[in-house]
Amino acid sequence: EAQVTQNPRYLITVTGKKLTVTCSQNMNHEYMSWYRQDPGLGLRQIYYSMNVEVTDKGDVPEGYKVSRKEKRNFPLILESPSPNQTSLYFCASSSWDRGIDEQYFGPGTRLTVT
Amino acid sequence: DAKTTQPTSMDCAEGRAANLPCNHSTISGNEYVYWYRQIHSQGPQYIIHGLKNNETNEMASLIITEDRKSSTLILPHATLRDTAVYYCIVRVAGNTPLVFGKGTRLSVIA
Repeated sequence: EAQVTQNPRYLITVTGKKLTVTCSQNMNHEYMSWYRQDPGLGLRQIYYSMNVEVTDKGDVPEGYKVSRKEKRNFPLILESPSPNQTSLYFCASSSWDRGIDEQYFGPGTRLTVT
Repeated sequence: DAKTTQPTSMDCAEGRAANLPCNHSTISGNEYVYWYRQIHSQGPQYIIHGLKNNETNEMASLIITEDRKSSTLILPHATLRDTAVYYCIVRVAGNTPLVFGKGTRLSVIA
């Protein structure tokens, strides 16, 4: 089954404790991205990657890092989480090169930073 | 990306057609109209997209006006499972970001 998976689905952590949210897709998509969703602010893009070893900032990249060492994986790293990073996070992938213009989203990761 | 304007909320009776409007008066010639929806707090789901011709798939129909300044998403027979927030997005096709607005909260009522 074609899918985007995220882990963990739920995470409660404390300020300053480094964490990684993993994202993996099994569709061989080139393009992957991370969004965060906050009440009243909607979905905003954090980072995106056009292909392996190619990443770029989205609209709200501060406080986040990403890497794209393999095509299928695009982890989101919070090196020193703060309470304002409490949010619902979504990973997405697509493959324009193969005519797949729809973006597939993962199920989301709900992060709480205390 | 061009901005879109959608009603904040709409109701629809179960079994009836749901017509969700979207205004995008500043759309550029190479920008497509996309529709996504988000059921509760699940990941957004692609519905349909088009450039200037009307489009139909197994989920919905997309009607784009001739001047491309507005469009309507039609769910032909709404069910309770179609209750969701629907987002109209205009963007250049390809591996480009989706810019989500506030969308329309559709409530399908039994």
